[in-house]
Amino acid sequence: KAGVTQTPRYLIKTRGQQVTLSCSPISGHRSVSWYQQTPGQGLQFLFEYFSETQRNKGNFPGRFSGRQFSNSRSEMNVSTLELGDSALYLCASSLEGRSETQYFGPGTRLLVL
Amino acid sequence: AQKITQTQPGMFVQEKEAVTLDCTYDTSDPSYGLFWYKQPSSGEMIFLIYQGSYDQQNATEGRYSLNFQKARKSANLVISASQLGDSAMYFCAMREYGLTGGGNKLTFGTGTQLKVEL
Repeated sequence: KAGVTQTPRYLIKTRGQQVTLSCSPISGHRSVSWYQQTPGQGLQFLFEYFSETQRNKGNFPGRFSGRQFSNSRSEMNVSTLELGDSALYLCASSLEGRSETQYFGPGTRLLVL
Repeated sequence: AQKITQTQPGMFVQEKEAVTLDCTYDTSDPSYGLFWYKQPSSGEMIFLIYQGSYDQQNATEGRYSLNFQKARKSANLVISASQLGDSAMYFCAMREYGLTGGGNKLTFGTGTQLKVEL
């Protein structure tokens, strides 16, 4: 089975722009979660989507949004980029169930100038 | 309060020796899961091992084992026979299942950078 894929892998944007990141989960996985990783804040949960519905949300401003499509692929969008949004954005997918593991993609490295 | 605490920012171990990476957690939820992930410099998070709060036995996966001490709220990762390829950042994470059991949200610790030396 193919793993979680994320596109693009690297991205450079300037302040004020917006960006869309894409995540394709492992086949059969309906849950997709997004995390932000920075040196200062570590790994932080952004949100989770399951069956096209946002099921959990972390403590991030409304500039961060996401959606999930019927094929479970997910996108996250960050509007009005700030320098502090520079980070590694990781997507993870899993089957449904308590002991089910989240499998991560390679991440998208976003640099905001 | 920190939900996951990893007190070792960096660790060194000789090749072929065992190493223990510490993790303590804090939760009032009686049902939770504990995970360990490895993150090489490439950035991808690699799942290593899982322990459920109701599991009676400590989890093992090949060279990885989890020393789960529920009363102490600790879930230390033990890597046996370290290899050079084990050099990476290691994260402990927790998922709280709550009353409904639904939802995936992992809370991560700050990580431990492990360096395996010859």
